[in-house]
Amino acid sequence: ELKVEQNPLFLSMQEGKNYTIYCNYSTTSDRLYWYRQDPGKSLESLFVLLSNGAVKQEGRLMASLDTKARLSTLHITAAVHDLSATYFCAADMDSNYQLIWGAGTKLIIKP
Amino acid sequence: GAGVSQTPSNKVTEKGKYVELRCDPISGHTALYWYRQSLGQGPEFLIYFQGTGAADDSGLPNDRFFAVRPEGSVSTLKIQRTERGYSAVYLCASRPGQPQHFGDGTRLSIL
Repeated sequence: ELKVEQNPLFLSMQEGKNYTIYCNYSTTSDRLYWYRQDPGKSLESLFVLLSNGAVKQEGRLMASLDTKARLSTLHITAAVHDLSATYFCAADMDSNYQLIWGAGTKLIIKP
Repeated sequence: GAGVSQTPSNKVTEKGKYVELRCDPISGHTALYWYRQSLGQGPEFLIYFQGTGAADDSGLPNDRFFAVRPEGSVSTLKIQRTERGYSAVYLCASRPGQPQHFGDGTRLSIL
């Protein structure tokens, strides 16, 4: 069965701290995506990871992909309140690129 | 430029009624996807169009759900004899390559 599993599902943290969200996947396609969703809003693409060892960074967020372990991580450095949102990872099902999604990690960053 | 546009943004209807949800993708994007997102969950794939044809409709839950894209641009998701369990946010996405770009969704509520 094709699965994408995220953990934790809920994370409350203080500003200035570091934390990592984990995403395990069982699809064979090894293409991994991270999206952000604010309450009542749509999904905003953050990172596209297409190969083993891929690392991408944008501001305080950094995503990486280990295709051997079928694991991607989203690392948050020195968190700020504006990063509060729900973060989803998704993997391609097959060559048609339809996505299988994790359940999301709701991140709350307290000032 | 214009993003993916979905209308209506909200739809409330009674159980058993018929509904149509519209998606206007980014101009020039040949690939179009429909997803359904229930509260507190990740999106769930419904159907994928490449041009005018439905390349993969394996995610449609049953034959009450149908989608068309007659001219390879705008797509309409049609749901017959709606059930309360169909209440969700219906998301449309389009892409030229990677990643998929999402609309704001239609929040469908079945009373």
